[in-house]
Amino acid sequence: DAKTTQPTSMDCAEGRAANLPCNHSTISGNEYVYWYRQIHSQGPQYIIHGLKNNETNEMASLIITEDRKSSTLILPHATLRDTAVYYCIVRFTNFGNEKLTFGTGTRLTIIP
Amino acid sequence: DTGVSQNPRHKITKRGQNVTFRCDPISEHNRLYWYRQTLGQGPEFLTYFQNEAQLEKSRLLSDRFSAERPKGSFSTLEIQRTEQGDSAMYLCASRSSGANTGELFFGEGSRLTVL
Repeated sequence: DAKTTQPTSMDCAEGRAANLPCNHSTISGNEYVYWYRQIHSQGPQYIIHGLKNNETNEMASLIITEDRKSSTLILPHATLRDTAVYYCIVRFTNFGNEKLTFGTGTRLTIIP
Repeated sequence: DTGVSQNPRHKITKRGQNVTFRCDPISEHNRLYWYRQTLGQGPEFLTYFQNEAQLEKSRLLSDRFSAERPKGSFSTLEIQRTEQGDSAMYLCASRSSGANTGELFFGEGSRLTVL
């Protein structure tokens, strides 16, 4: 799986949009970009994933650059409960490759 | 609550003792995964099952570690002759092989402290 690079930590004011970047310059054509988050003392939680097109769900939006070498996770109106470690992961296909390779992620702190 | 249950949530043991963790996945999920997470690091893949078959094991899973899923439902992870380096959070996750998102549902983990 391609490696990812994320900032170690970020702060965001409550109510503002949180934009979390991820670089994955060695991503291959059939690798998906996944985002998970981990709130303190809990297991990781799936947020969103995408291949080429931008994606949106009830939790977040995922913007993938045209060359697919980077992406941004957007939490549109951050709340205190969004304080967590956010992991950007790339993996081959939806199926078959079962191993999610987590990095160290970005520690996002939402400030009141 | 994702529906994946892990027990015990916390375990403190002395070096050299054996410990066993149990994971009850979401009932209709045929794939079950074990991960290990140490402080400040992301989770690391250990092994996964499809039904009762163990299909992949990480090199992290030394001979002292054994995982089973005898009836394709719950799973156990046993660590024999524990070492201080085994102190970590052990996470279980599950999913259905038929799901089109590849999303894993994680439990809250079992935290092991080896003294």
